[in-house]
Amino acid sequence: QVQLQESGPGLVKPSGTLSLTCGVSGGSVKTNNWWSWVRQSPGQGLEWIGDVFHTGSSHYNPSLMSRLSISVDRSKNQFSLTLTSVTAADTAVYYCARDIGVGGVPHAVWGQGILVTVSS
Amino acid sequence: DIQMTQSPPTLSASLGDRVTLTCRASQSIGTSLAWYQQKPGKVPTFVLYVTSHLQSGVPSKFSVSGSGTHFTLTIYSLQPDDFATYYCQQYHSYPWTFGQGTKVEIK
Repeated sequence: QVQLQESGPGLVKPSGTLSLTCGVSGGSVKTNNWWSWVRQSPGQGLEWIGDVFHTGSSHYNPSLMSRLSISVDRSKNQFSLTLTSVTAADTAVYYCARDIGVGGVPHAVWGQGILVTVSS
Repeated sequence: DIQMTQSPPTLSASLGDRVTLTCRASQSIGTSLAWYQQKPGKVPTFVLYVTSHLQSGVPSKFSVSGSGTHFTLTIYSLQPDDFATYYCQQYHSYPWTFGQGTKVEIK
């Protein structure tokens, strides 16, 4: 059973860069799956951030595209999110997830989530 | 982007009730719709999708229907474990988008 675990700083300064990694265990990133990021601001709903395939192909939420990068490291069996020029509006719980299979439900497996606060 | 609208925002119900949640898409998404459940302070979990495939371990008291732009999730005989917020999500075309959620609370 694949498991996902987010890691990274819990506090980022305004205008700084948010960098998170999702470690994959119990399976490989080199499968026919899309690996994604979803976030949830305090008291709010879910927001899809983007996803990546093990080949490096990716899709981004247009609202974040200018600040966003999602990559995969096959040697470390992990994928990452980088969000630049952050503001308080980027404060959220960030989840990594995996789909059920190409063309299927995007978030069948979820990590535990990591709270990232943007504050000076 | 495809907009997803869920109704009602909050649904008050009693144990044993049958409830129906609605999700509408701003354009046709075929049957590319998933439902997630989230309990307070917990990670969202995938419940099921419109082809009526239940995620492994999910009770058959959940059922879904719909296609195109109108979808429903029905929960039969509400139990304490079912009180949560439910989100729909379309995966017909990027960017994937979620509805704002329906909170099912105890009356």
